[in-house]
Amino acid sequence: DTGVSQNPRHKITKRGQNVTFRCDPISEHNRLYWYRQTLGQGPEFLTYFQNEAQLEKSRLLSDRFSAERPKGSFSTLEIQRTEQGDSAMYLCASSKSGLAGGPGTDTQYFGPGTRLTVL
Amino acid sequence: GQSLEQPSEVTAVEGAIVQINCTYQTSGFYGLSWYQQHDGGAPTFLSYNALDGLEETGRFSSFLSRSDSYGYLLLQELQMKDSASYFCAVRDVYSGYALNFGKGTSLLVTP
Repeated sequence: DTGVSQNPRHKITKRGQNVTFRCDPISEHNRLYWYRQTLGQGPEFLTYFQNEAQLEKSRLLSDRFSAERPKGSFSTLEIQRTEQGDSAMYLCASSKSGLAGGPGTDTQYFGPGTRLTVL
Repeated sequence: GQSLEQPSEVTAVEGAIVQINCTYQTSGFYGLSWYQQHDGGAPTFLSYNALDGLEETGRFSSFLSRSDSYGYLLLQELQMKDSASYFCAVRDVYSGYALNFGKGTSLLVTP
């Protein structure tokens, strides 16, 4: 059983460039989340998918950010026209709907993250 | 909105017991989760409390008091490898399935 995987692990880019990250969730997990974490802070929620549907988006997710999960399996997060303030660790997590349903039963498992540095 | 408070740093000796507190303010509370994160690593799920009381998993226990909007993580028989950051996170009717994390507590275990 493999965990959540993310690629690349590190990305260095110049301001103004576009970057794309990939997340492969745990097999059969139908929910997928993206978070951003900066130094000394906890992860901050960006967006969430159930299967291929994007159900929630944080106000942190500006129009330069877009996420997709086209077939309900892997997901991509794209940042256009990167800014230095986008430098952070981008974490992906996945979970599986419980029999009881509801957010209270949802346990999220995190991937190792993609560390983005914008120069 | 939501807010969570937890101490920024805690230091303890190997073999000792340490308690990391978390207080929260939220509406429509679902539950409190705890995650461990080593430097450069992924957050790892430790425990979840939806109801009042103590949940025990090996050396780690987690407690919740919904009436006091308070919880804690208890680590027993501390080991050097327990040095890490510990985050409490809440989920409520506003966040839905998204977790709202505190700023984390950096635990240093010394010999």
